[in-house]
Amino acid sequence: GAVVSQHPSWVICKSGTSVKIECRSLDFQATTMFWYRQFPKQSLMLMATSNEGSKATYEQGVEKDKFLINHASLTLSTLTVTSAHPEDSSFYICSAISGQGYGYTFGSGTRLTVV
Amino acid sequence: GESVGLHLPTLSVQEGDNSIINCAYSNSASDYFIWYKQESGKGPQFIIDIRSNMDKRQGQRVTVLLNKTVKHLSLQIAATQPGDSAVYFCAETLGSGYSTLTFGKGTMLLVSP
Repeated sequence: GAVVSQHPSWVICKSGTSVKIECRSLDFQATTMFWYRQFPKQSLMLMATSNEGSKATYEQGVEKDKFLINHASLTLSTLTVTSAHPEDSSFYICSAISGQGYGYTFGSGTRLTVV
Repeated sequence: GESVGLHLPTLSVQEGDNSIINCAYSNSASDYFIWYKQESGKGPQFIIDIRSNMDKRQGQRVTVLLNKTVKHLSLQIAATQPGDSAVYFCAETLGSGYSTLTFGKGTMLLVSP
């Protein structure tokens, strides 16, 4: 079955630094990937949709200059949280779909803590 | 019983009971629905899906019911086990699975031995 690998699983960074999270489709090509953010005891909120080779589409209220998304290949999308602040601390989850009928496959998530 | 916490409703059941988790979806145009299970610190795990041309679909120990008239989904888990303890989310989308998913608020299921 389709597998999405997300790294790192957790990261602690200092306020003001940048953090990169990777999302890889291991056994299929993902033409579209999604990035979600989840605060404790809340639902997943879509941040952006990335399509391979084009700019990401951000949801309303998500700062595109703060959350940089790159989807340069059919198997890798990255989310970079720039100039991180404590309020950016959250659980970030990626999801990938392909044109081959695999539907939605989720990564295991990244717990970001900004101190 | 079921209680509503600050953010996440909780359903507490005894092992062996049947569980029913409900979800109200928002978009009457949505035509594909998915139930996910999320354990603490992990990503969502697919449980079962249903298209809008159906009102019931069964899997192993799970059944999803869809009532489009009132925009309501339910997930029934038979013979609930402690390993079923998790947060359950419904998600809706337009199309065959290539559009954005909108997640419901989620329900925490606690199964006591």
